[in-house]
Amino acid sequence: GENVEQHPSTLSVQEGDSAVIKCTYSDSASNYFPWYKQELGKRPQLIIDIRSNVGEKKDQRIAVTLNKTAKHFSLHITETQPEDSAVYFCAASNGAGDDKIIFGKGTRLHILP
Amino acid sequence: EAGVAQSPRYKIIEKRQSVAFWCNPISGHATLYWYQQILGQGPKLLIQFQNNGVVDDSQLPKDRFSAERLKGVDSTLKIQPAKLEDSAVYLCASSQNRVAGNTIYFGEGSWLTVV
Repeated sequence: GENVEQHPSTLSVQEGDSAVIKCTYSDSASNYFPWYKQELGKRPQLIIDIRSNVGEKKDQRIAVTLNKTAKHFSLHITETQPEDSAVYFCAASNGAGDDKIIFGKGTRLHILP
Repeated sequence: EAGVAQSPRYKIIEKRQSVAFWCNPISGHATLYWYQQILGQGPKLLIQFQNNGVVDDSQLPKDRFSAERLKGVDSTLKIQPAKLEDSAVYLCASSQNRVAGNTIYFGEGSWLTVV
């Protein structure tokens, strides 16, 4: 089955700097890759997603890149702000009928003042 | 639009007791998921329903966990008997259908502590 690895587990960056979180997946049939943000005690919320027919997608300060050959995808946050502090989860879905979405273990992002 | 509703939000039980969680998905969403999220980890899929049928329950510990989705709307997840390692947040989520790329919307979760 699909396995999603996420790195780093913890990331601290100065406010205004960029943050990058990386994920790899094992199932070459995976074709949908969402990213969720979870603030302390709150539900995970989708912040951006990418499909396998696209190499990059951007939404304001957030961008996601996908390398299908290497089976890895990354989240980039530019000009980080205090409200970006949260746990971020990557996920992968194979879309092969059962459409399970498998999550990584998460990255705790701290934005330092 | 109303989100995914879950209850109770918090529950503390002793080991070997039973507990049930309820979920009401977003109106019109055919697919419903139960995830278990242990502190510091990502959500782990327990069971996935398409309408009132089970699509995947390969990670559900069937000796103690059960779930149903009667009439294809609300769902309940039951644990009996509970173990200490069941302490986690149980997240219900829904999406419009099973096609890959449909956004999954999560509820606020039911926090379970087993003592």
